[in-house]
Amino acid sequence: DTEVTQTPKHLVMGMTNKKSLKCEQHMGHRAMYWYKQKAKKPPELMFVYSYEKLSINESVPSRFSPECPNSSLLNLHLHALQPEDSALYLCASSQEGFSGQYFGPGTRLTVT
Amino acid sequence: QKEVEQDPGPLSVPEGAIVSLNCTYSNSAFQYFMWYRQYSRKGPELLMYTYSSGNKEDGRFTAQVDKSSKYISLFIRDSQPSDSATYLCAMASPPGAGGTSYGKLTFGQGTILTVHP
Repeated sequence: DTEVTQTPKHLVMGMTNKKSLKCEQHMGHRAMYWYKQKAKKPPELMFVYSYEKLSINESVPSRFSPECPNSSLLNLHLHALQPEDSALYLCASSQEGFSGQYFGPGTRLTVT
Repeated sequence: QKEVEQDPGPLSVPEGAIVSLNCTYSNSAFQYFMWYRQYSRKGPELLMYTYSSGNKEDGRFTAQVDKSSKYISLFIRDSQPSDSATYLCAMASPPGAGGTSYGKLTFGQGTILTVHP
């Protein structure tokens, strides 16, 4: 089963709101990733968790706060976002030894 | 110069055609090569994965890697309208010690493919 699930599918939030995106995988993968994708662009890496520890932060603004509660779950907490943060947020996972990353369907975020 | 170059297209072909998609890269450290298919407003789907050089075939799809030329290709035989999507190449270096560069992908810009009936 090569499935990564993400909730919610769509999210509309105001600039003063706090919301969270959730990601789950049950493939036993030990690395999980958050990406941001704008229209007609490739995904841009935001964060990497390896064995539940943050190993890469691609200089993402602090209004995005990742959390990895356990090896199957990954959250992205959002606070005080800007309209330019509107995008498709993708979660991915990969196994140790690396054989490609598996992406979820994404959360389409609109900041008003 | 970008690390990975991919012709954005768009590419339009008739049903049944053979499609050739290509990427070039400049980083000799890349060892893992992937092709993703992304339908509109969906997440990327891993189509093909290749480690180092060589060919790999899966049904109508063939991936080729030529590390000496720093060139990778994806061929789609007997293309179908359902193949209409954006195709992204992606590459990665081996993870660093301690997992600090665990499978970080570098993507091409993506090629938009339309297969018309």
